[in-house]
Amino acid sequence: EAQVTQNPRYLITVTGKKLTVTCSQNMNHEYMSWYRQDPGLGLRQIYYSMNVEVTDKGDVPEGYKVSRKEKRNFPLILESPSPNQTSLYFCASLRAGANVLTFGAGSRLTVL
Amino acid sequence: KQEVTQIPAALSVPEGENLVLNCSFTDSAIYNLQWFRQDPGKGLTSLLLIQSSQREQTSGRLNASLDKSSGRSTLYIAASQPGDSATYLCAVRPNSGGYQKVTFGIGTKLQVIP
Repeated sequence: EAQVTQNPRYLITVTGKKLTVTCSQNMNHEYMSWYRQDPGLGLRQIYYSMNVEVTDKGDVPEGYKVSRKEKRNFPLILESPSPNQTSLYFCASLRAGANVLTFGAGSRLTVL
Repeated sequence: KQEVTQIPAALSVPEGENLVLNCSFTDSAIYNLQWFRQDPGKGLTSLLLIQSSQREQTSGRLNASLDKSSGRSTLYIAASQPGDSATYLCAVRPNSGGYQKVTFGIGTKLQVIP
């Protein structure tokens, strides 16, 4: 089944403890992106990647890192999480030239 | 900068009613507009995509229209069912910049009461 898989789905952590949210897609899509969703603010883009080894900042990149060493994986790294990074995170992918983004199921992160 | 507004923020209707969700955007230089459905604990699912050259798209009980010049789109749901309860988001892709520049609305939370 064609899908975008995120892990973990739920995570509670403490301030400053590094964590990684993984994202993997099995559709050979070139484009991948991370969003965060907060009440009243909607979906905001954190980082995106046009292809392997090509990443760029979205609208809210502060406090996050990403890497794209393989086409299928696009992990989101929080080096030193803070409470303002408590949010619902979505990974999405898209085939080059296509129109429809495919989203993962989301990862709910709480930073205490 | 593109801004996307969805009205109403929440809507509660009895089963069987026809309803309209609204999406407005400030910059009419768009490539396409997409409607998504979001269920709690799940990701976003694409419902309908309208290219800038199109006026409407239909899928089953759903019909989406686009008036690019006035910066508006509507999602019409016919004969609503409890299973339609979800949050509906619209997203606008600009003419320039590709998918990395997509702007999402905050969404309309729909509840269909049996």
